This record gives sequence, structure tokens and C-alpha cells, in this order.
Amino acid sequence: EAQVTQNPRYLITVTGKKLTVTCSQNMNHEYMSWYRQDPGLGLRQIYYSMNVEVTDKGDVPEGYKVSRKEKRNFPLILESPSPNQTSLYFCASASGVHYEQYFGPGTRLTVT
Amino acid sequence: AQSVTQPDIHITVSEGASLELRCNYSYGATPYLFWYVQSPGQGLQLLLKYFSGDTLVQGIKGFEAEFKRSQSSFNLRKPSVHWSDAAEYFCAVGARGGSQGNLIFGKGTKLSVKP
Repeated sequence: EAQVTQNPRYLITVTGKKLTVTCSQNMNHEYMSWYRQDPGLGLRQIYYSMNVEVTDKGDVPEGYKVSRKEKRNFPLILESPSPNQTSLYFCASASGVHYEQYFGPGTRLTVT
Repeated sequence: AQSVTQPDIHITVSEGASLELRCNYSYGATPYLFWYVQSPGQGLQLLLKYFSGDTLVQGIKGFEAEFKRSQSSFNLRKPSVHWSDAAEYFCAVGARGGSQGNLIFGKGTKLSVKP
């Protein structure tokens, strides 16, 4: 089944403790992206990657890092999480001329 | 810069009634246009998309949307709403060329369905 998977689905952590949210897709898509979703703000893009070893900032990249060493994986790294990064995070992948995006199930992160 | 406006934050309709969710965009050319739906606790699912050609596009779950270039709109419609349609709906705009792949999302419209 074609899908985007994220792990973990739920995470509660404390301020300053480094964490990684993994994202993997099995559709051989070139494009991958991370979003955060907050009430009243919709989805905002954090980082995206057009292909392996090619990443770029989205609208809200501060406090996040990403890497794209393999085509299928696009982990999101929070080196020193803060409470304002409490949010629902989505990974997405896309391919083709029109870049129709497929979304993962989301990761709900709480930073205390 | 691209932007997407969904003027209605929350809409309530009765089951069986028709539905129209509004979406206006700002873009210098004809963009790619998408509607996604997010059920409670779920990820985003693509309902339909417009790339070119026929301006009335059909999607899943009985939804359709019409691209109107003159109004910079891409409104989502359904003739008869079912209780299972209660969800949040997002309109999105994608660029052609350049940062192709990136989507700009509206802030969403939450749909409630009355029995």
C-alpha cells in the first residue's frame, strides 16, 4: 500500500531534550515536506526537500532541522525543543509534474 | 506572493442540504489547486485537484469544485451532505515552475453537520 508513515504518532517531552520525528514514504517520491498545524493558523511549511541532499526552508524553519540522505526518508529534528513547538506535525511527499501531495497520519508533539 | 483565503472558519449545515465552501487565491498565473479534507484525529486526504482543462472537477465522496479564473476562486460543492462529511476542509494552491511542489494552504473551514 502506498503510504507516508510517521513515528512516533504521539510524543510528550521536556524543554531542551533533542528529539527526532521520522518520516518515510514508499512511493519513490522526489519531493518531501514537513508542516506544522496549529489551531487557527492552518498548515505552515517547516522545511521541504526536492530530492536527496536538497533541502530548503519553508515558512517557519526556526528551531528545526532536516536531512535527506535517502529518497524515502525525511526526518525532522528538534535539537532543543521549546513549548512553542507543541503542535501537530505532518509529513508529506509528492511526485510528478503537478506535485500532488500525500500526507502522513501526523505526530502530535507536546513540549513541557 | 501566493496566498489562499477561506473566508468561513466554521459552517454548519443540515444533513441532506447542499454545501459550498469558499476558497479565493492570490497568484500571478493559473496555479495548481487542491482541496483536502481532515477528519478528526486524521491526516489530510486529497478530495480533488485542478491542473488545467475543464474548470469543473469531480472528486471523491461526491465533491466537486469549480475553478473561476475571473474571480480567483475554487469553491468546493456537494449537493447533499452526509453526517460523515463533518471535518475540516483545506484549500491549497501550488506554484507552477520555480518552487514547484510547495503548497500554500488556507486556514481551513470546519464543517459541522446537523442531523
